Amino acid sequence: QVQVMQSGAEVKKPGASVKVSCKASGYTFTGYYMHWVRQAPGQGLEWMGRINPNSGDTNYAQKFQGRVTMTRDTSISTAYMEMSRLRSDDTAIYYCARAYGDYHFFDYWGQGTLVTVSS
Amino acid sequence: QSALTQPASVSGSPGQSITISCTGTSSDVGSYNRVSWYQQHPGKAPKVMIFDGSTRPSGVSNRFSGSKSGNTASLTISGLQAEDEADYYCCSYAGSSSYVFGTGTKVTVL
Repeated sequence: QVQVMQSGAEVKKPGASVKVSCKASGYTFTGYYMHWVRQAPGQGLEWMGRINPNSGDTNYAQKFQGRVTMTRDTSISTAYMEMSRLRSDDTAIYYCARAYGDYHFFDYWGQGTLVTVSS
Repeated sequence: QSALTQPASVSGSPGQSITISCTGTSSDVGSYNRVSWYQQHPGKAPKVMIFDGSTRPSGVSNRFSGSKSGNTASLTISGLQAEDEADYYCCSYAGSSSYVFGTGTKVTVL
């Protein structure tokens, strides 16, 4: 069965970087885009970007260009999202979500990773 | 890219029908039939309820239906049940390999 498992919670200081992992299983990792979505406490969902695990090509929301890097390691079916120059308003739950085939929706989501940015 | 506009809250009694709107622009909702809807219970990851505007994934109750007119997409929940109480988000493809979510709607079952 398809599963998407994320790394554990992180606490970072302002200005630091964080790297969240997303391990996929139960399907061909390179066959489906992986997206990243975040949700600040009590707030809505925000699309951050996506990676094509086959080619490594990425697309980022304009807001995160230059501060977010999405990568993958096909040997262990894992996608990564790294954010630099963290600010307090980056405190949020970060989700990875698989895109279903050639369709434009997300069918499997990770459990979420809480990133807290605090001095 | 600005978030799609949804009402902050919608409520209804058990058995009633409610509709949640999702208003975008001609650059996103209006240009593509690629609106999806997600249900999120507290502390849980979102779950897709509708994709491509009106298609239900396997396993989703037929009480959930979607439609679109112009720049506005809608999600209707008929026969409202206690378990439907959750937050709902729309999401649209916005071109150039980008996506945008709605502001979210809290559904309360009275």
